Amino acid sequence: DIQVTQSPSTLSASVGDRVTITCRASQNINNWLAWFQQKPGKAPKLLIYKASNLESGVPSRFSGSGSGTEFTFTISSLQPGDFATYYCQHYHSYPYTFGQGTTLEIK
Amino acid sequence: EMQLAESGGGLVQPGGSLRLSCEASGFTFKDYVMNWVRQSPGKGLEWVSAIGESGGSTYYADSARGRFTISRDNVKNTLFLQMDSLRVDDTAVYFCAKRDDWKRAFDLWGQGTMVTVSS
Repeated sequence: DIQVTQSPSTLSASVGDRVTITCRASQNINNWLAWFQQKPGKAPKLLIYKASNLESGVPSRFSGSGSGTEFTFTISSLQPGDFATYYCQHYHSYPYTFGQGTTLEIK
Repeated sequence: EMQLAESGGGLVQPGGSLRLSCEASGFTFKDYVMNWVRQSPGKGLEWVSAIGESGGSTYYADSARGRFTISRDNVKNTLFLQMDSLRVDDTAVYFCAKRDDWKRAFDLWGQGTMVTVSS
């Protein structure tokens, strides 16, 4: 099975900051990686698919990059509504595993 | 509007069974791979199971294989998860999710249904 390691687990930042989250796969997954945002009590929301493609309706301050085993997710300028938990997920082959999550907190 | 709505969660004793349902609307259900994902209280997301468009192909996480059965009714636009031999660590919110054909990512999620396994 392909494992996905996400870091950091917690990130403290301020409105307007640029933040980056990293996801590493245990083997080559090409670009089969997605990023989700989840707020308390809500379902996850797809932000990025195929590593770098922005889901329709998602603001352009969100971006993703990478291929193979190393991936990054960036928010260019944090907005108040961005404080949430973020997950990466590979979908190269079953089982589709998620990263451990990154909780973005207000500094 | 595309929607997924889960139901069937509740409190069950260890060793018991529960059947979850996920009703789809606003899209052609039979054309998409469907999934179950769960989240234990305060924990991360865990993919549980997937089923192909016709129901002929099914996939399970190790934690679900042999105890859970995924199925679908493409006439009633409904996805199911039959959960048997439930354990305390199966306690979680269970989400159903649609996998987009081209993106292959989970682009539509239900609101989730809570399953509590406790004596």
